[in-house]
Amino acid sequence: DQQVKQNSPSLSVQEGRISILNCDYTNSMFDYFLWYKKYPAEGPTFLISISSIKDKNEDGRFTVFLNKSAKHLSLHIVPSQPGDSAVYFCAASSRGGSNYKLTFGKGTLLTVNP
Amino acid sequence: NAGVMQNPRHLVRRRGQEARLRCSPMKGHSHVYWYRQLPEEGLKFMVYLQKENIIDESGMPKERFSAEFPKEGPSILRIQQVVRGDSAAYFCASRQGVPYEQYFGPGTRLTVT
Repeated sequence: DQQVKQNSPSLSVQEGRISILNCDYTNSMFDYFLWYKKYPAEGPTFLISISSIKDKNEDGRFTVFLNKSAKHLSLHIVPSQPGDSAVYFCAASSRGGSNYKLTFGKGTLLTVNP
Repeated sequence: NAGVMQNPRHLVRRRGQEARLRCSPMKGHSHVYWYRQLPEEGLKFMVYLQKENIIDESGMPKERFSAEFPKEGPSILRIQQVVRGDSAAYFCASRQGVPYEQYFGPGTRLTVT
């Protein structure tokens, strides 16, 4: 049973435009959400996170939105750059129990075309 | 400030051999996680350790797999009697107490022939 779902395996956008990556979760115990970026043959790189007490967090070109009632979050990248081309993973964690292990989606391959 | 280090980066083992994967967390991080990524899949949690303690091993197969994080030295993920289905990328991550973000190493790609 997949608790974190990224329903779009791939996304293609033009350089300079906005990229929107989506993620849905089913476990209502999740209260901390993260986005990671991954290049081939490398480890995931942390991008941005959001706590369930917020609905938006922004860091430079990256903004994450959280809709708790819909159990949905999204990552906006604006403007998109060719170097943003990578696989993006959504991850969720429950801080209860002091474990903080991450549950990942399967990822979305973003291609930014020059 | 060195990041999370993993070695080896690539490991080839024949069926039945043992695989040892090493992870050195970021300086100042005392929490270590191991994840496995199968082809076309997301990363899946295996085990969570703090120094000298296994906190949560609920994602690790009960047989053939073990992990440790000794007082001195790196964390070790050990796979005994490897089978072809163990072929995957194994990632280690570490974090401080707070904040909760985990930082990943480059991974070890295990191939079982």
